[in-house]
Amino acid sequence: KAGVTQTPRYLIKTRGQQVTLSCSPISGHRSVSWYQQTPGQGLQFLFEYFSETQRNKGNFPGRFSGRQFSNSRSEMNVSTLELGDSALYLCASSLDRVKLYGYTFGSGTRLTVV
Amino acid sequence: GESVGLHLPTLSVQEGDNSIINCAYSNSASDYFIWYKQESGKGPQFIIDIRSNMDKRQGQRVTVLLNKTVKHLSLQIAATQPGDSAVYFCAENTHSGYSTLTFGKGTMLLVSP
Repeated sequence: KAGVTQTPRYLIKTRGQQVTLSCSPISGHRSVSWYQQTPGQGLQFLFEYFSETQRNKGNFPGRFSGRQFSNSRSEMNVSTLELGDSALYLCASSLDRVKLYGYTFGSGTRLTVV
Repeated sequence: GESVGLHLPTLSVQEGDNSIINCAYSNSASDYFIWYKQESGKGPQFIIDIRSNMDKRQGQRVTVLLNKTVKHLSLQIAATQPGDSAVYFCAENTHSGYSTLTFGKGTMLLVSP
């Protein structure tokens, strides 16, 4: 059974640019959650999508957005990149709520903003 | 691989020792808790979970203890092996209606042969 696939694995972008990251969940999983991981702030929740609807959102500026497609694949977009957006972006998929079904995390996309 | 935390608390043990990693959680209303292991260059991997109606849960070589009175979790790893070297995070589900986890800062476990 394939795991959670995140692409690309590494990205280097320039301040002011925008970036789109992709997450393909485990087959049959309808929930995709995104997290940002930095050495200073640790793992922080960005948003969760379930059946193409955003079900919850973390405390991030509007430059961070996401969406989910009918096949449950999800993308997140960061516009007007800042140096502080450099981080490991992780997605996690689940059948539904994490307390019922748990999460499986992907290996992440390492974004470097220069 | 990439570093997940440059200034994490570190626990150094010898192979074969028992390890105890501690975590203070933030929300007394949290009712579900998970321990994850993260190796360099990888995403977090599930180790063990516990619900708030339990005080203790055991897995293979791992035990999680939950003390709701002081909002404290611990992860015990028996007979620690070099392959256990990683960063360990506790996480709490603070909104039972959502799939949102709040993660602790993490502890780096270093196991020497």
